[in-house]
Amino acid sequence: AQTVTQSQPEMSVQEAETVTLSCTYDTSESDYYLFWYKQPPSRQMILVIRQEAYKQQNATENRFSVNFQKAAKSFSLKISDSQLGDAAMYFCAYIIGGNDMRFGAGTRLTVKP
Amino acid sequence: GAVVSQHPSWVICKSGTSVKIECRSLDFQATTMFWYRQFPKQSLMLMATSNEGSKATYEQGVEKDKFLINHASLTLSTLTVTSAHPEDSSFYICSARDTISGKSSYNEQFFGPGTRLTVL
Repeated sequence: AQTVTQSQPEMSVQEAETVTLSCTYDTSESDYYLFWYKQPPSRQMILVIRQEAYKQQNATENRFSVNFQKAAKSFSLKISDSQLGDAAMYFCAYIIGGNDMRFGAGTRLTVKP
Repeated sequence: GAVVSQHPSWVICKSGTSVKIECRSLDFQATTMFWYRQFPKQSLMLMATSNEGSKATYEQGVEKDKFLINHASLTLSTLTVTSAHPEDSSFYICSARDTISGKSSYNEQFFGPGTRLTVL
């Protein structure tokens, strides 16, 4: 079975500090796409960052960056200079073949002022 | 660009009635739309994949006769929950891919804001 595992149900970070959310996945495919989505209390899914599996360079989007380790099937998200607005549920996901998006169980991030 | 809307945003219905939820791609054509279900404090679970002009593909364990999906145009997919029961109460989210104009880079899906269904 192809799965996504987020081993941290909850994480907490002090405002302005850095936090890393972990994600591992299991697939036998070589070509796929990886995503981190943020779901605030409004429940609207917001794309945070994305990565193509064939690209070795880690994606970055302002304060958000990933550590993509293809051999280890790991795709962690680092949030730098955490802000109160970063508090949300974060979901790791991947797509194979352009259709099947699979999500992890999510990590609830709390940002302390 | 790449906006997906859902209507209604919330709905309350009586047990035994049917409820229709609409998912629209507002500024692109969506050849494929997806329907997810999310229970409180849980992840999104894919229910079905909807392709324009053809029958939807349902995930294992999802009753196709209970959750009717229609994707009659490139901008609209509907999910009808038939004979709804309290256990169908959930948050339903749709997403869409644009394979025509190229907005869906990385095979990205664009998500709607979701519909909260409560069945009394």
